[in-house]
Amino acid sequence: SQKIEQNSEALNIQEGKTATLTCNYTNYSPAYLQWYRQDPGRGPVFLLLIRENEKEKRKERLKVTFDTTLKQSLFHITASQPADSATYLCALRRAGSYQLTFGKGTKLSVIP
Amino acid sequence: DAGITQSPRHKVTETGTPVTLRCHQTENHRYMYWYRQDPGHGLRLIHYSYGVKDTDKGEVSDGYSVSRSKTEDFLLTLESATSSQTSVYFCAISPTSGVNNEQFFGPGTRLTVL
Repeated sequence: SQKIEQNSEALNIQEGKTATLTCNYTNYSPAYLQWYRQDPGRGPVFLLLIRENEKEKRKERLKVTFDTTLKQSLFHITASQPADSATYLCALRRAGSYQLTFGKGTKLSVIP
Repeated sequence: DAGITQSPRHKVTETGTPVTLRCHQTENHRYMYWYRQDPGHGLRLIHYSYGVKDTDKGEVSDGYSVSRSKTEDFLLTLESATSSQTSVYFCAISPTSGVNNEQFFGPGTRLTVL
């Protein structure tokens, strides 16, 4: 069966360090992978999208990589700040499908 | 929240009663989605719509129905609520099914079925 796993339920990191979150998938041929941020009591907010044929995407302090051989995406936040504390969700979409399938999320806490 | 509202924001109801949740958008986006979010499960798709009167089932559609009679409104109905439907429900919209179909989420509805 198809599975998406975000390896850590929770990740604590010191302010100023780089946070790295992992998203792995099995039995899935995704076309696009997306990352969302969710704050407590709020809906998810879109951050970045990376296509199957792209290796890396950047946006300000965020970087996403996509390795279709390893079936893995890494999400990096450089120079992390306490305001980056949130739950981060990865989501996969197959070409031709309207549907996104979400991972369970990783709760990131950036400690001052 | 990208011009998306959900109503009600909180609801407590009893087992066996019908419940309707409303999602309203002002963005004129074609695609609308209903998700539920539960601890240990993450976000799961219930139903989605790809146009007025065009809907389809998602991963966890049993016990739910939807309707979309106009572009801006997408209704989720629990015909006879059960305790297993206690959850936080999110509506999302998307302008396209194409390459950049990022989804914009509403603020959520917290539903408790006693």
